[in-house]
Amino acid sequence: KQEVTQIPAALSVPEGENLVLNCSFTDSAIYNLQWFRQDPGKGLTSLLLIQSSQREQTSGRLNASLDKSSGRSTLYIAASQPGDSATYLCAVVQRTGANNLFFGTGTRLTVIP
Amino acid sequence: NAGVTQTPKFRVLKTGQSMTLLCAQDMNHEYMYWYRQDPGMGLRLIHYSVGEGTTAKGEVPDGYNVSRLKKQNFLLGLESAAPSQTSVYFCASSLTGSTEAFFGQGTRLTVV
Repeated sequence: KQEVTQIPAALSVPEGENLVLNCSFTDSAIYNLQWFRQDPGKGLTSLLLIQSSQREQTSGRLNASLDKSSGRSTLYIAASQPGDSATYLCAVVQRTGANNLFFGTGTRLTVIP
Repeated sequence: NAGVTQTPKFRVLKTGQSMTLLCAQDMNHEYMYWYRQDPGMGLRLIHYSVGEGTTAKGEVPDGYNVSRLKKQNFLLGLESAAPSQTSVYFCASSLTGSTEAFFGQGTRLTVV
């Protein structure tokens, strides 16, 4: 069974700092990997989708990379802002089975003004 | 521009009561999913559908039933609610199984 791990579980950084969130998965037979943001009491907002054939995707201050062979992805946030404070979740879609998303438990990010 | 809409947003049930959660999407997506989110356990798949009239079990299907009579709607039913079903429920949809997934705002369910 696919297992997705996100470390650390929580992270606090001062405003303006660049930071990296990590995601690892055990089964490299994936279609894609998706990064989400979740604000307290809210739903999930899609940030970036990386197809298995891609190495990275960028959107504004966010850059996500994918190393499928090693089962790792990183989400890089440049020049962090207090508004970036949220829980960040990564999820993979496996090639076998239901093609549903397997989620990590997330990294709770706090950006201190 | 609604995307994925869940109804209701909050609900309190007594043990043994039944209810139905409604998910509606306006993106003409084939795939729809129901997840539950519990502290420390991440999101887990309850049931999913790959098209109108189809449903299938996910990782934690016991105690739940689903129906997809119309392409845009995916219903999640609890026939006899139990305290263990206290959770936040999320619906999601995607065009295919390997494309971007979009989520609703969630339903916070408490069973007392």
